[in-house]
Amino acid sequence: AQTVTQSQPEMSVQEAETVTLSCTYDTSESDYYLFWYKQPPSRQMILVIRQEAYKQQNATENRFSVNFQKAAKSFSLKISDSQLGDAAMYFCAYKGEGAQKLVFGQGTRLTINP
Amino acid sequence: KAGVTQTPRYLIKTRGQQVTLSCSPISGHRSVSWYQQTPGQGLQFLFEYFSETQRNKGNFPGRFSGRQFSNSRSEMNVSTLELGDSALYLCASSLVGENYGYTFGSGTRLTVV
Repeated sequence: AQTVTQSQPEMSVQEAETVTLSCTYDTSESDYYLFWYKQPPSRQMILVIRQEAYKQQNATENRFSVNFQKAAKSFSLKISDSQLGDAAMYFCAYKGEGAQKLVFGQGTRLTINP
Repeated sequence: KAGVTQTPRYLIKTRGQQVTLSCSPISGHRSVSWYQQTPGQGLQFLFEYFSETQRNKGNFPGRFSGRQFSNSRSEMNVSTLELGDSALYLCASSLVGENYGYTFGSGTRLTVV
C-alpha cells in the first residue's frame, strides 16, 4: 500500500520570506500523480499544485513550486514571498494511475508571522 | 460555476442514531468520493462513486454506506453512530480524468454525543 509522510507537523515563516514543506512517499508504482492541497480554517481543501510522475520538470504555479525527486520519492513544496493568506494546513497527496482515491499525509500547519 | 456543495455544515447526533450527509458535485463531474478527517487518523478514504456505481471502498465498517444518484449527487449514511465517528466528512468531485485533481467541498462537521 502507498504511504505519504509529512515529517513537519508545524512550520512558521516571516511574511515575504520563503518556506519549504517536505513530503516523502512510498510506492512500487511507476505512474502516479502527486498533489499539494491547502486547508484554511474554512475547511475546504484547495488544490495548490499537481505533478505527474512521468514529467521530470517541476511544476510551478505562481509563488508555489515543487521539487520532485522521483528516485528519492520526495515531493517538497516551496512557497515564495509568503503572504498572510498562505496560513493553513498543507497536505501532500498521492494518487496512483487508475486509482480512484487520494492517499494523504498527516499535514503540516503553516503559520505566517507578520 | 458553483463548487462542491455539502449539507449540512454541522450536525450533532446521539450515539446509536443514524445520519445522512449530502454532496452535490460540480456540474459535469461524475465522480464523487468521500473522506473522513479526524485529528488522530488524518484524512482517510471512505468510498468513490462514478455513474451511480461504487468503484472503490476504504477500510471502514459496514455501518458506513453511500450512494450516487443519476444527477451525480451523492449521499453517505452512517448507521448506529459511535463516538469515534465524530469527524469532518469531506466530499470531492472530479471529471472523468481524475488525474487532474479533485475539487473538495467545505465538509460536514459531525459530532456524536
